[in-house]
Amino acid sequence: EVQLVESGGGLVQPGGSLRLSCAASGLAVNYNNMIWVRQAPGKGLEWVSAMTRDGDTRYVDSVKGRFTISRDNSKNTLSLQMNNLRPEDSAIYHCASVYGGSYWGQGTLVTVSS
Amino acid sequence: QAVVTQEPSLTVSPGGTVTLTCGSSTGAVTSGHYPHWFQQKPGQVPRTLIYDTNNKHSWTPARFSGSLLGGKAALTLSGAQPEDEADYYCLLFYGGAYVFGTGTKVTVL
Repeated sequence: EVQLVESGGGLVQPGGSLRLSCAASGLAVNYNNMIWVRQAPGKGLEWVSAMTRDGDTRYVDSVKGRFTISRDNSKNTLSLQMNNLRPEDSAIYHCASVYGGSYWGQGTLVTVSS
Repeated sequence: QAVVTQEPSLTVSPGGTVTLTCGSSTGAVTSGHYPHWFQQKPGQVPRTLIYDTNNKHSWTPARFSGSLLGGKAALTLSGAQPEDEADYYCLLFYGGAYVFGTGTKVTVL
């Protein structure tokens, strides 16, 4: 059974940083295309970042230069380092796999507010 | 980055058929966009229905099917049930980056 479990969310002031983690079981993060997705309250889904099987990384324009996606193959985890956070980054953040099937984690809430 | 467009809302009668579409601002959607379809009910995590155009997960009800139709990705619901009332999102792959569609609210009425 595939499980993705996010952690690391919380309340942070504008300009602050958070590091989200996604612990995977039942699949290998380095054998899958992995993405981070966010959803602000009452809004649609927004793709944030991706890491392909080959290690290629991509970002939505609004987070380029502020967010960094990475993975730790030994721990089978995906991470998202978020710096210089803005109020508009507030959302539930999910990790998901999108290769030969698609699985989602439950998400972690990020609130950026003073 | 591309804009992916879906119908804002659709209504289907119980037992009826409805087709949702997913178009790309860059041109025709192809299998190379690896279209995915997700269902989200209020307060719930999105659930994958279709991946890679027309592949189903073990939990995907048989009444859902995916295809390419007229230059768009399509999700067809045949024999709608009340529990199918939800928001539906498509996701397209653009050479490493991804874009979600704007979402379709399906009402079964």
